[in-house]
Order: sequence, then structure tokens, then C-alpha cells
Amino acid sequence: KAGVTQTPRYLIKTRGQQVTLSCSPISGHRSVSWYQQTPGQGLQFLFEYFSETQRNKGNFPGRFSGRQFSNSRSEMNVSTLELGDSALYLCASSLAAPNTGELFFGEGSRLTVL
Amino acid sequence: DAKTTQPTSMDCAEGRAANLPCNHSTISGNEYVYWYRQIHSQGPQYIIHGLKNNETNEMASLIITEDRKSSTLILPHATLRDTAVYYCIVRSSRGNDYKLSFGAGTTVTVRA
Repeated sequence: KAGVTQTPRYLIKTRGQQVTLSCSPISGHRSVSWYQQTPGQGLQFLFEYFSETQRNKGNFPGRFSGRQFSNSRSEMNVSTLELGDSALYLCASSLAAPNTGELFFGEGSRLTVL
Repeated sequence: DAKTTQPTSMDCAEGRAANLPCNHSTISGNEYVYWYRQIHSQGPQYIIHGLKNNETNEMASLIITEDRKSSTLILPHATLRDTAVYYCIVRSSRGNDYKLSFGAGTTVTVRA
């Protein structure tokens, strides 16, 4: 069974640009969550999607957005990049039912903003 | 979600059991205890979870105290590949909240 796939694995952008990251969940998983990991703040929840609808959202500015497609694949977008957006962005998928199901994480997309 | 308290770091000898404590004194009745670990430069990996009873799987055992205010993750025979940051997380089972609130975790170093 293939795991969670995130692309690209590494990317470099400059301030003011935008970036789109992609996540393909495990087959059959319908819930996709996104997390940001930085040395200073640790792992922080961005948002979670289920059946193309955002169900939960963390405390991030509106520059951070996402969406989910009918095949459960998800993308997140960060506009007007800032230096502080440099981080490892992690995607996790879940069966979404039962609610006690564990999350399966991808290896992340490492974004560097110059 | 209830907050958790873990030691910042701990060392363990290869081949010995590693016992990782976690305090979650404000846990409520519908909240599960989850353990994840993150090996350097990889995404977090699910280890185990439980509600009231002790749990065991191929990776580890989870011992939850009777009052549920604390728990211990046991890696029975630690190997060098178990060196990682271990996160203890408490999460509600109600609704459709799949958010995990990660703390700083415990950095476990397994030494040969």
C-alpha cells in the first residue's frame, strides 16, 4: 500500500512569491490534514479537509489556503511568501472513520524562502 | 484538548526497554492518548493509542494509569533506529476533529 506522497520534496522561493504544495493521501483515505513544522514553533496544525470541505482550521493568516479534490488529493497554497514561512510542510491522511483512527504522515515538503 | 507534559530528553541503552512518561492530568473522559514519533527529517509516525486499557502492538506498549492522568510508552527492546522525538498527544474522540496538538515531545537517544 503506497503511503502519503508529497510533492515537491524541496523548493526555494523568494519573498513575495507564492507556492503550491501537493499531497496524495493513502488510497481510501478521505481526510487530509496539513501541518507546518519550524524549529521555533514545532508542529502546528494548518487545516483539515474531508470530502472537498475544510472542516478544521488552525491559527494561520489568510495567505495560507488549501483545497481538496474529488479524488481526495489536496493542495495547499501560500501567497505573498515571507521569510518566516520557511518550514517543513507535512500532510497527513486518515480514514476519517472511526474518529479514533491514526494519522499517516508524508515525508513533507521543505520550503525555503529567501 | 488536554495538554501533556513530557521530559525534554532521555537516553536509553540499545537492547534495553525505554520507558517514556507522559503526564495528562486534565484529560477528560472522551479523550484518547496517542503516541507518535518523528525520526529526523521524516514525517511523524503513529505508534499506538489508548483510552483506558493498556495497549500493545508490534512497536510498543502503552500503559495508562487507572485515573488516566498519566501514561507510559514502553519500547521493549530499543534499537539505534528508535532514536527520535516522541510525542504524547491527547485528543478528543468527539465530532470530526482530526487535529493533533503536538507539544515539544521527548528527544530519545538510544546509545550503543
